[in-house]
Parts: sequence; C-alpha cells; structure tokens
Amino acid sequence: DAGVIQSPRHEVTEMGQEVTLRCKPISGHNSLFWYRQTMMRGLELLIYFNNNVPIDDSGMPEDRFSAKMPNASFSTLKIQPSEPRDSAVYFCASSFWRGDVKIDTQYFGPGTRLTVL
Amino acid sequence: GIQVEQSPPDLILQEGANSTLRCNFSDSVNNLQWFHQNPWGQLINLFYIPSGTKQNGRLSATTVATERYSLLYISSSQTTDSGVYFCAVERWNQGGKLIFGQGTELSVKP
Repeated sequence: DAGVIQSPRHEVTEMGQEVTLRCKPISGHNSLFWYRQTMMRGLELLIYFNNNVPIDDSGMPEDRFSAKMPNASFSTLKIQPSEPRDSAVYFCASSFWRGDVKIDTQYFGPGTRLTVL
Repeated sequence: GIQVEQSPPDLILQEGANSTLRCNFSDSVNNLQWFHQNPWGQLINLFYIPSGTKQNGRLSATTVATERYSLLYISSSQTTDSGVYFCAVERWNQGGKLIFGQGTELSVKP
C-alpha cells in the first residue's frame, strides 16, 4: 500500500493567495483527518470526515479555511485568502472504522509544509 | 477536554544509552499511540497501545490505563532514534480524533 498521499509536499505563496492542499487516504479507510502542526500550538486537529461526511470541524481556525471530501479517495483543504500565520505543516491521516469500533489505526501522510510570505 | 502531558520535554543521550519517555493523560481513553517524528518531519507509528506492554526491537511501550499513563522505552539508542516522540490519545465517542502531547525531543549523539 502506498500509504496516505499528500500534495504538494512544499508550498510557498504570498499573502492573499488561495492555497489548496490535497490528500489521498489509504485505500479502504473510511475516516480522514486534517491536522496542523505549528511550534506554538503543536499538533492539532482541524477537521475530520467519516464516510466522506464532515463530522467535526470545530478545529478549523476561521472561515478562510474549508475542507471537502468529494469521494472516498480524495480530500482537499483550502485556505482563501492565505495569511502568514497560516504557515505550518499540514498533515492528513486516515483510519478504518466499522460502526463505532476502530479496526485499523490512524496513519499519517508526509505532510505539506506551507509558507505564506 | 483531555490533557496529554509528556516528559521530559527534551533529552540528550549518548549512543548506546537507554531512556524512558512518559505520557500522562487526564481522563479515560480508548486508545493511545506513540509516534516518532523524524528530522524530515514524517510521523511514524510506533505503537498502538491502549493497555499492556508491546515490544518492537529496541523499543517497547507500556500503558497503565487505570493510572492514566504510558511509558516508551528506548534501549541501546542510535543516532537514527533522534527526533520528536509524541503520544496521542483518542476516545471513540469523539470520532477517533487524536489529541497529542507536546512531544519529547530526543537527540542521540555519536
């Protein structure tokens, strides 16, 4: 298995520009998570999906952030407009649940390092 | 929400030394995971250990769920063990989102 795939691996953009991060979960996994890692706040959950449906987006910092999962094999995290304080590493992770029972552990992608100038 | 505290915050070892990293959590959990974040930023799963003891080579982990702590043991450390070690907990009634500690930064010197 190729694991969780994220693109791009690095993104440098200017303040005000739109940024789109992409994630392909592990095949067969039905839960997908977006995390952000910063020096100040550590690793924190932004949003997660179960069976392509957003379940908890309470970690999304503000309306400039949005996430979609149009199908089981693809998700995007969009920031519009981007600001320098959005600079961070964004991780996508996936796992497999059967009902309320977790069957496979959560695996992380390599992350996207975002720099907003 | 659940609080996760890791200690020590950083640790410097000489190659070949042993170490113990600790993770305390403030409430009952369904799962605890240990991760290693290598110098390239990759988060690597080490253990999925809601309770009991597991071993994988030079690494082992023990979780005492009733006392709300977990320990990660690294024996005969190598320079490739350097990086940040995170523990993370989850409660299944919260959808499986992981709550991370702040990490222990380990540096192993040759």
